[in-house]
Amino acid sequence: SYVLTQPPSVSVAPGQTARISCGGKNIQNRNVHWYKQKPGQAPVLVVYDDSDRPSGIPERFSGSNSGNTATLTISRVEAGDEADYHCQLWDATTDLWVFGGGTKLTVL
Amino acid sequence: QITLKESGPTVLKPTQTLTMTCTFSGFSLTTGGVGVGWIRQPPGKALEWLGLIYWNDDKRYSPSLKSRLSITKDTSKNQVVLTMTGMDPVDTATYFCARLHVLSNRFDPWGQGTLVTVSS
Repeated sequence: SYVLTQPPSVSVAPGQTARISCGGKNIQNRNVHWYKQKPGQAPVLVVYDDSDRPSGIPERFSGSNSGNTATLTISRVEAGDEADYHCQLWDATTDLWVFGGGTKLTVL
Repeated sequence: QITLKESGPTVLKPTQTLTMTCTFSGFSLTTGGVGVGWIRQPPGKALEWLGLIYWNDDKRYSPSLKSRLSITKDTSKNQVVLTMTGMDPVDTATYFCARLHVLSNRFDPWGQGTLVTVSS
């Protein structure tokens, strides 16, 4: 089955740029979605189809996908960005939906 | 505005069956290109996709849980029901339902989730 690999944690100072990776074999050939989840809350979609943003999501959130790595980039990080971030895709080969292990973003 | 909300038991004993209902509003499961998925998250762990149902009643299940899962819909009530048999303490998790955008296979929005604890 298809596996998505995320770093367990990423730390960044306020105002800096955070980059969270999501690794998978030839992931560039798949559409990757990103969710933000605060403690005790449901996930919220922040980027879909690699780089599109739902309405209401700040432009500070962006995504890219190349080779074997998709990346969520958060510019000008704020305290409110501290959360777990999960990547997800649909694997057409198996017709299954897959989530990464999640990355805890800490704002120093 | 689209909303989803899970309802069901919060505590189960081992071997019991979980029946969790997702009640939604703001969309219809009779509309093409729509689905509802189930995802769970054990405390402190990753999200795990369980299964989903499409507007046309087609269904998909996680292979590791397929023998224990059933997902049905009641379009007249705007509800989707998840049934999981043979519950075990390792199934302790928050269970979420979410709308599936079929074209891109993303989940948005999600219900608030319900924590189900399996303990003797």
